[in-house]
Amino acid sequence: QVQLQESGPGLVKPSETLSLTCAVSGYSIANGYYWGWIRQPPGKGLEWIGSLFHGGNTYYNPSLKSRITISRDSSKNQFSLKLSSVTAADTAVYYCARHTAQFYFDYWGQGTLVTVSS
Amino acid sequence: DIQMTQSPSSVSASVGDRVTITCRASQGISSRLAWYQQKPGKAPKLLIYAASSLQSGVSSRFSGSGSGTDFTLTVSSLQPEDFATYYCQQANSFPLTFGGGTKVEIK
Repeated sequence: QVQLQESGPGLVKPSETLSLTCAVSGYSIANGYYWGWIRQPPGKGLEWIGSLFHGGNTYYNPSLKSRITISRDSSKNQFSLKLSSVTAADTAVYYCARHTAQFYFDYWGQGTLVTVSS
Repeated sequence: DIQMTQSPSSVSASVGDRVTITCRASQGISSRLAWYQQKPGKAPKLLIYAASSLQSGVSSRFSGSGSGTDFTLTVSSLQPEDFATYYCQQANSFPLTFGGGTKVEIK
């Protein structure tokens, strides 16, 4: 059974960099699929942040592209998100998820709330 | 970007009711659409992919239809565990985008 688990600081100061890691079990991220990040501000809808293809290519939401880096550590079977220059508008629950080549998200982490505040 | 518009934004219904939610894409996406269910404090769960294919393990109460720009999710007989928020997502191209959500509430 594929499982994903997000980890990282729950509080980040404005202008700093948000860093999250998604640990994957039950499947090797180097073997296939896309591995993505989605966020959800409190009480609002879902926003795709970006995805990492198992071959190494990355795809980012243009609205966030200048601030995002998604990378992987295949030896640890995990992938990471860095979002720079955060503001209060970046406060959200951040999910990591697997999606198919047809772009459907079939496995999700439980999500982690990140609050941007001084 | 492809904009996804869901309606209604909320619906009140009773157990046993048939509920239909619609999703419209700002441009044609063939059948490249998914539906997700989200309960409070939980991650979304994939219900339907490719507009009408039922994800493994999902109740047959859920069905999807449509192609091009107009899609529907139907719950044939609402059960207590179906009260949740539902999102559509276009799977045609990056950036992947979601509808604004439809909250199904108990009448």
